[in-house]
Amino acid sequence: EDQVTQSPEALRLQEGESSSLNCSYTVSGLRGLFWYRQDPGKGPEFLFTLYSAGEEKEKERLKATLTKKESFLHITAPKPEDSATYLCAVQAWDDKIIFGKGTRLHILP
Amino acid sequence: GAVVSQHPSWVICKSGTSVKIECRSLDFQATTMFWYRQFPKKSLMLMATSNEGSKATYEQGVEKDKFLINHASLTLSTLTVTSAHPEDSSFYICSALDRALSGNTIYFGEGSWLTVV
Repeated sequence: EDQVTQSPEALRLQEGESSSLNCSYTVSGLRGLFWYRQDPGKGPEFLFTLYSAGEEKEKERLKATLTKKESFLHITAPKPEDSATYLCAVQAWDDKIIFGKGTRLHILP
Repeated sequence: GAVVSQHPSWVICKSGTSVKIECRSLDFQATTMFWYRQFPKKSLMLMATSNEGSKATYEQGVEKDKFLINHASLTLSTLTVTSAHPEDSSFYICSALDRALSGNTIYFGEGSWLTVV
């Protein structure tokens, strides 16, 4: 069964404390893996798409990596404005999209 | 800027009436769009997949006759909540699949808050 699991469910970090969010997946053929940021009361904001194992993408303090079983979203020296829910989703070869439940990230000043 | 626009951002309607929410892809043609519902502090719940020119595919437990989805053009999908009741009050979000040559990406709209009174 196609599945996406994100961990941890919630994470509290001090400002400047780097960490990683995990997205583990099982899917019948990966077409793409997506990362989003969602602020309360808003639609998810697109961050990255990764297509193949070994691929990495960066944007400001965020870096996404991909293996055959999981993806990591590394956040380096986070700031309070990085606080949000981070969502991971995979697209299977049949175009089915499966979302994880998200990781709520809270950066303390 | 936004590549998927959702309208209205918020709407209040009376119980028993119908309300329509629009989802437009601005920079690309979207043969596939998705509609979600989200409760406070909860994850996205897929309601249906909307395919241009054909009937939407609804997830289990979602009433087709209550949540009417129309995808009449390559840039527009609409969700109509019929005979709305207070329990339909929620945050509704759409997304559109961009099948670019460089690879697929899914973009989300800004969401629509529906309050049924």
